[in-house]
Amino acid sequence: EVQLVQSGAEVKKPGEFLKISCETSGYSFTTFWIAWVRQMPGKGLEWMGVIYPGDSGTRYSPSFQGQVTISAAKSISTAYLQWNSLRASDTAMYYCARHIVGGDGAYRHLDYWGQGALVTVSS
Amino acid sequence: EIVMTQSPATLSVSPGERATLSCRASQSVNSNLAWYQQKPGRAPRLLIYAASTRATGIPGRFSGSGSGTEFTLTISSLQSEDFAVYYCQQYNNWAAFGQGTKLEIK
Repeated sequence: EVQLVQSGAEVKKPGEFLKISCETSGYSFTTFWIAWVRQMPGKGLEWMGVIYPGDSGTRYSPSFQGQVTISAAKSISTAYLQWNSLRASDTAMYYCARHIVGGDGAYRHLDYWGQGALVTVSS
Repeated sequence: EIVMTQSPATLSVSPGERATLSCRASQSVNSNLAWYQQKPGRAPRLLIYAASTRATGIPGRFSGSGSGTEFTLTISSLQSEDFAVYYCQQYNNWAAFGQGTKLEIK
């Protein structure tokens, strides 16, 4: 059974460092893209970027480039989303999700999702 | 950057009736489009991919159509559990979601 289990809720102060995780199981971690999706309070879904754990290749939405870092640890089938300096505007629910891979190796739709991790940034 | 626009923002429909949700892309995404359902406090769930293919376990009352820039999600006979927010997403060039359509009980 495919599962994506995210780390728990976090409460942080502006300027702090944060790294949240997405532990996967039930499939070959290195052969599927993993995406991160932001949902601000009461708002819609925003695709932030992806990582291909097989070669650690990453792609970021222009809106999130330079704001976050996506990484992965193959040995423990876990993906990460990291902020070096949080802002109040980073307060949101963050989901990881698995992209199906097309025949050309490109990512397609998102078929499995984590349960979400609520990040609250407040002084 | 491709922008996805969904309409209407809110749709009020009675149980048992048909609901039609629209999604427009700012440029062609071919058939590289998916639909998701999200209920309060839950992660999104995949309904449709490749514009018209139902995901595993999705009831037959859900159907998708369209290609290029115009797409439609149709729910043929609304059940109580279908009232939720629906998002389209293109994955032809990077990936981007629409802003969502809230389907509410009339």
